[in-house]
Amino acid sequence: AQSVTQLDSHVSVSEGTPVLLRCNYSSSYSPSLFWYVQHPNKGLQLLLKYTSAATLVKGINGFEAEFKKSETSFHLTKPSAHMSDAAEYFCVVSPISNFGNEKLTFGTGTRLTIIP
Amino acid sequence: DGGITQSPKYLFRKEGQNVTLSCEQNLNHDAMYWYRQDPGQGLRLIYYSQIVNDFQKGDIAEGYSVSREKKESFPLTVTSAQKNPTAFYLCASSSQRTGAIHYGYTFGSGTRLTVV
Repeated sequence: AQSVTQLDSHVSVSEGTPVLLRCNYSSSYSPSLFWYVQHPNKGLQLLLKYTSAATLVKGINGFEAEFKKSETSFHLTKPSAHMSDAAEYFCVVSPISNFGNEKLTFGTGTRLTIIP
Repeated sequence: DGGITQSPKYLFRKEGQNVTLSCEQNLNHDAMYWYRQDPGQGLRLIYYSQIVNDFQKGDIAEGYSVSREKKESFPLTVTSAQKNPTAFYLCASSSQRTGAIHYGYTFGSGTRLTVV
């Protein structure tokens, strides 16, 4: 079975400063890991994904995440926050297996607030 | 452009009334999912379908029903048995094959259901 824990329910940063959203996972298999972003009253948009290739994954809008197996972490970072980054962010895990049809497991979300 | 269309965007339901939320995709994805989102609770899986004419209950299926008569369509009915239906409902789809790595979900833009 797999699970994911987002360590902060709410993060506030000033515009132009770095962003760090933390995620730890637990999985019986080598996982696929994802970050999604959700703006108010919108669907979820895929930011980036890790699927056993390079451990440092670059996504859209300047975000990136590093897969660290020893720490079971997949933290999301951005060097400089922009006002448009204010949203809810979800860390998501799915195992890599021979079946490829497992459901994704979602974290409870981190709300990112950008201070002007 | 390929994607998932959810309709309506806003829906109001009277007490004791059944309502149906539409979800259509033109991505040729095999699997489709329905999630419910409440403030501070992340996403909870209601139903999912991995193939036409087959679907499975998720974590909170009580008071909901679905059908999957066509690959492109996965409507969700919120029945009068659902005692607290006010929420944001998200439909998603994914392309999954045996032996394949999970590549994540594509989400619709959601339907906000309110009981009046």
